[in-house]
Amino acid sequence: KNEVEQSPQNLTAQEGEFITINCSYSVGISALHWLQQHPGGGIVSLFMLSSGKKKHGRLIATINIQEKHSSLHITASHPRDSAVYICAVRAGNNRKLIWGLGTSLAVNP
Amino acid sequence: DSGVTQTPKHLITATGQRVTLRCSPRSGDLSVYWYQQSLDQGLQFLIQYYNGEERAKGNILERFSAQQFPDLHSELNLSSLELGDSALYFCASTSGVRDHRTSGSNEQFFGPGTRLTVL
Repeated sequence: KNEVEQSPQNLTAQEGEFITINCSYSVGISALHWLQQHPGGGIVSLFMLSSGKKKHGRLIATINIQEKHSSLHITASHPRDSAVYICAVRAGNNRKLIWGLGTSLAVNP
Repeated sequence: DSGVTQTPKHLITATGQRVTLRCSPRSGDLSVYWYQQSLDQGLQFLIQYYNGEERAKGNILERFSAQQFPDLHSELNLSSLELGDSALYFCASTSGVRDHRTSGSNEQFFGPGTRLTVL
């Protein structure tokens, strides 16, 4: 069992829908990252969280440390949001990130 | 633009060959991480360097090696290439100049990747 699990693995939505991607982890962490990988392969860091909630534009990320769970929300989704969204955690004082396998999102016009 | 650069963008080579991938971190970043992403697989951590020294090792094959130079750019060397080495290779750097032991939560900034195809 992976230490970082993402769900769903694949997601198809219609433009304008509210989207939620979930990340659960089984280790103690010092931080959790959400990243976006574009169809061409490029990776962009979206959020880094250690508690609470962060918002950037139409993206919202939340984390519940007690439940070891984080969610990434996309409001008013758009076809340009189509990408793979990856969750990664930094376990304790470990320098390495533990990666989820990603959620592939397709937003149809 | 993350500020992290990688060259080349694409590389096509034959089995048995040796290639070198290059990464320049963001200005001021001391840590460089290398990752491999194969088709249908998540990112696999290979190795981390901090200020010229190896700091952490992941799933890096013995045929692969890396180094970080005094100007903080890093190179990943892949030798005796096999078909299965075809993948996207990313480097990332972490922000700030604090000691790595207190910067465990630093955000990572990714380069655009090098797509390696081994024929």
